[in-house]
Amino acid sequence: QKEVEQNSGPLSVPEGAIASLNCTYSDRGSQSFFWYRQYSGKSPELIMFIYSNGDKEDGRFTAQLNKASQYVSLLIRDSQPSDSATYLCAVRNNFNKFYFGSGTKLNVKP
Amino acid sequence: DTEVTQTPKHLVMGMTNKKSLKCEQHMGHRAMYWYKQKAKKPPELMFVYSYEKLSINESVPSRFSPECPNSSLLNLHLHALQPEDSALYLCASSQEVGTSGAYEQYFGPGTRLTVT
Repeated sequence: QKEVEQNSGPLSVPEGAIASLNCTYSDRGSQSFFWYRQYSGKSPELIMFIYSNGDKEDGRFTAQLNKASQYVSLLIRDSQPSDSATYLCAVRNNFNKFYFGSGTKLNVKP
Repeated sequence: DTEVTQTPKHLVMGMTNKKSLKCEQHMGHRAMYWYKQKAKKPPELMFVYSYEKLSINESVPSRFSPECPNSSLLNLHLHALQPEDSALYLCASSQEVGTSGAYEQYFGPGTRLTVT
């Protein structure tokens, strides 16, 4: 079983719609959770982090964490073509090891 | 400022060469990381330094040798690499090593390495 699982996509949404990206993790002792955006040929860029159950909002982005279900999600409101990228979910455990999911490719169509 | 810098941006080396990758951060972070990323794959952790000491080595071959000269700098020394080692090498840093808080990682732009 992989530490972090994501649907590889591609996820296609029209411009202006809400994109919903999901991630599950296997280690119940995981402490904190991150969403990175990665454009082709570039390095990952941190866009959200969360470590308490519930929702965390930052502009058009909302991260949701449910530790009981071992589930993390990222909502992108008013999706723009510039949001088209691969979104990586990452999880940090008690030993400061970070595990990345395989990423979900998002296409936002104009 | 959340900047991590890496040099060089691109590196081409032969299998008998010795080269080094450099990483620098001035955010006061005490944990630094090396990752390897192949095309269309997620980053794979190689090494973690915590307070300038190597804390995690993910069974990386000895042809990769990390070094942390001080809290701001991280090097990766390369020797006798194989063509399959060609990848994007990413450096990252985070504030602390511990069990509480987010301690988010920030990545540098990476070094694109090609081994011929």
